Amino acid sequence: QVNLVESGGGEVQPGRSLRLSCVASGFTFKSSNMHWIRQAPGKGLEWVGCVWYDGFTKYYADSVKGRAAISRDNSRNTLSLQMSGLRVEDTAVYFCAREVDTKMFFDYWGQGTLVTVSS
Amino acid sequence: SALTQPPSASGSPGQSVTISCTGTTSDIGLYDYVSWYQQYPGKAPKLIIFEVDKRPSGVPDRFSGSKSGNTASLTVAGLQDEDEADYFCGSYGGSNNRVFGTGTKVTVL
Repeated sequence: QVNLVESGGGEVQPGRSLRLSCVASGFTFKSSNMHWIRQAPGKGLEWVGCVWYDGFTKYYADSVKGRAAISRDNSRNTLSLQMSGLRVEDTAVYFCAREVDTKMFFDYWGQGTLVTVSS
Repeated sequence: SALTQPPSASGSPGQSVTISCTGTTSDIGLYDYVSWYQQYPGKAPKLIIFEVDKRPSGVPDRFSGSKSGNTASLTVAGLQDEDEADYFCGSYGGSNNRVFGTGTKVTVL
C-alpha cells in the first residue's frame, strides 16, 4: 500500500525558516520524481517544485525560487523541503506527490502538512 | 499563471456537469499533459484523468476528459452524491513548470 506522510508544519513568524519532510512507502521511491505542491486556505493548488529521482535535477516555481530547497534521501525514502524567508503568503497546506514517469501528472499524494506564517 | 476554472458547477443526481479549464498557448494549447484531480474537504487530491482523456484504474467511466485549443474540460456524467467535491485541472506549463487550475466546487443538488 502506497503511503506518503508529511511532517514538519506549524506556525512560524515571517522571515523564519522551516523544514518539511515526506516519508514514502509502498512504491519505488528511488525511481520516482517527487514534487511539493501547496494549497493556501480555500484556494487552488500551486506547484512549488520538484527533485528528480537522482536527487540532482531540481526545479522551482518563481514564487519560491531562492527561498526553497528541495532534497531527497533515497536510502531513507525521504523527501524534504527547506523554506527560508517565509512570508505570510506562504501559508498553506504542503503536499508531497509523486509524478508518473515525467508525464506531468501525480498519482500519489500525501495528506499534507499545514504551514502558517504569522506574526 | 494559474489555469482558469469556474468557481462552481452543479447538477442534479443523474445529470451531467462539465467543468472547463482555460490556459494559454504555452500550456494546455501546446501540450497534451492535462490532468484532473478530485479533492474532498481536508483530504489529498486524487487523480481522475491524465493525459487529457485517460482514466486511471478504478476511476469510473462517468468521468471523461477532453481538450480543444487552450481549453480542457472534465465531464461527470450520471452525477452521484459522492461526486460532490472540488475539482482541479493541471497541466505542464513549459520550462519544467507545472501549473494548476483555480478549482471548481461541484454541488449535487
